[in-house]
Amino acid sequence: NAGVTQTPKFQVLKTGQSMTLQCAQDMNHEYMSWYRQDPGMGLRLIHYSVGAGITDQGEVPNGYNVSRSTTEDFPLRLLSAAPSQTSVYFCASSYSTDGYTFGSGTRLTVV
Amino acid sequence: GENVEQHPSTLSVQEGDSAVIKCTYSDSASNYFPWYKQELGKRPQLIIDIRSNVGEKKDQRIAVTLNKTAKHFSLHITETQPEDSAVYFCAAAYSGGYNKLIFGAGTRLAVHP
Repeated sequence: NAGVTQTPKFQVLKTGQSMTLQCAQDMNHEYMSWYRQDPGMGLRLIHYSVGAGITDQGEVPNGYNVSRSTTEDFPLRLLSAAPSQTSVYFCASSYSTDGYTFGSGTRLTVV
Repeated sequence: GENVEQHPSTLSVQEGDSAVIKCTYSDSASNYFPWYKQELGKRPQLIIDIRSNVGEKKDQRIAVTLNKTAKHFSLHITETQPEDSAVYFCAAAYSGGYNKLIFGAGTRLAVHP
């Protein structure tokens, strides 16, 4: 098993550009989430999904969209990148009663 | 929604001492409380978790306690070693529902030889 795979590992965007962060898991996990990590602020939940076709907003959803067309994939879309979205993004997945397994992260810089 | 507060934000101990990190949560429906360790530049990794039907859980030098009435849970690390130096995060979720995991802000633990 590859676990949770995130691509790309690093990305630099210009303000106003859009992009999609990819996340895939091969553990047949129902639950998937996206977090952003900023210094001193811990891990903040952006969006989460409880299964294919079902998504919901987390603590900081503005400026981001998600979809869950398959169990394996949970892409995060930045609609119009802003410098405030400079962060490290983690995707994570789990079974309903187990802890989340995290991907290796995507370091995004918006200039 | 759930809110998790974590203290202290930084903790410095001598090798061999104990370290305690405390968290409080707001949603009485939360029933699953994991702890994650994150080394510099790495992903968070689950080190121990506890469910609301248990008051304490141990795994070698690590233990977690839960007080449901007070909505407090704590991580205890005994006989600390330099490799324990990392950022530790507590979290809370209602497992069995949406499993929406909310994190505390983290504690940076430094263990000095």
